[in-house]
Amino acid sequence: AQSVTQPDIHITVSEGASLELRCNYSYGATPYLFWYVQSPGQGLQLLLKYFSGDTLVQGIKGFEAEFKRSQSSFNLRKPSVHWSDAAEYFCAVGADSSASKIIFGSGTRLSIRP
Amino acid sequence: DSGVTQTPKHLITATGQRVTLRCSPRSGDLSVYWYQQSLDQGLQFLIQYYNGEERAKGNILERFSAQQFPDLHSELNLSSLELGDSALYFCASSGEGANQPQHFGDGTRLSIL
Repeated sequence: AQSVTQPDIHITVSEGASLELRCNYSYGATPYLFWYVQSPGQGLQLLLKYFSGDTLVQGIKGFEAEFKRSQSSFNLRKPSVHWSDAAEYFCAVGADSSASKIIFGSGTRLSIRP
Repeated sequence: DSGVTQTPKHLITATGQRVTLRCSPRSGDLSVYWYQQSLDQGLQFLIQYYNGEERAKGNILERFSAQQFPDLHSELNLSSLELGDSALYFCASSGEGANQPQHFGDGTRLSIL
């Protein structure tokens, strides 16, 4: 069965600093991988997705993620965070195509230090 | 704007009552998903419908039920409400296939008094 682990529950970084949020997945075949962001009181918004091809994926708001099959990881990065990046971030893996179901990680809450 | 519309935005009711949450998916999306998000449980997948048929079931209680209508909008019915049902309920929609991202509505915040 598919699973996603986000080992960091809460991360605090200073504004302007670089960011890396960790995500590890478990899936037998080539996974479909996603990162979502949820601002307080809002729904989840898709940041980026990986299906195949180039393992470095660019997303919206200056985010990128790198798929590393050998490490079963899909970490999210941003070179310089802004106060508006404070939110909850969810990693997700696409499950069997017949169900079109996505498995979400437990989320990482990002706080920005002024 | 994700294109997914959920109503109402807020709902306050009492224990034992029944409520209906409504979702209109993005134009062209045949799949609709319902999620419950609470502080202690995180984001929990409840159920998925595809073109009117139930496709997958998650951690959905027997007191909860859902359906998808011919016009593809969906309703989530919650009955015999308990205090622990207080949560944010999200609807998402997508195209066919596990490589299709889900697009989320802004949610319905349900408060049980």
